[in-house]
Amino acid sequence: EVQLVESGGGLVQPGGSLRLSCAASGFTFSSYAMSWVRQAPGKGLEWVSAISGSGGSTYYADSVKGRFTISRDNSKNTLYLQMNSLRAEDTAVYYCAKDEEVVPAASIDYWGQGTLVTVSS
Amino acid sequence: QAGLTQPPSVSKGLRQTATLTCTGNSNNVGNQGAAWLQQHQGHPPKLLSYRNNNRPSGISERFSASRSGNTASLTITGLQPEDEADYYCSAWDSSLSAVVFGGGTKLTVL
Repeated sequence: EVQLVESGGGLVQPGGSLRLSCAASGFTFSSYAMSWVRQAPGKGLEWVSAISGSGGSTYYADSVKGRFTISRDNSKNTLYLQMNSLRAEDTAVYYCAKDEEVVPAASIDYWGQGTLVTVSS
Repeated sequence: QAGLTQPPSVSKGLRQTATLTCTGNSNNVGNQGAAWLQQHQGHPPKLLSYRNNNRPSGISERFSASRSGNTASLTITGLQPEDEADYYCSAWDSSLSAVVFGGGTKLTVL
């Protein structure tokens, strides 16, 4: 059974940093691209970042480029999102998501339960 | 990054058929196809259709996806109360090298 478990969310002040983690199990982690997708309260889904199965290719939404860094440790079956220079508009539930292919294809077939990030003073 | 276009809301009666649309361009839906997701309030999204219009195992045959040019469609037949949810489409945009989502359609089953 595929499981994706996020951790690391919480309350952080504007300008602060936070690192999200996603522990994956139930599939061959290195064979699939992974993404972070967020959802602000009462809003729709917003793609944040994606990484290929090998970790060699990374992709970012314009809204987070230069502030967020996606990475993965295939030996630990774990996905990360380092978030710096956080802003109030980054407040959202952050979902870890598995793609159906080794490179991002926007066919996300499994989602974690999400972790809430709140940016506020 | 420009997203995909979905109608904000659709309302249909019980046991009727609803068709939801998702419009993109030749760099995303027209080229790569679109996936469809269902999200109930307070829960993570669930995949209904891969971008090649195939259903994951466990998804009811009442959900079917198709594409014509730059527009993808999700048809839900025999609407049930549990189908009331938000529906999103997603696609890979080869020009942006990014995933793009539609704004979502809230389906109400009357």
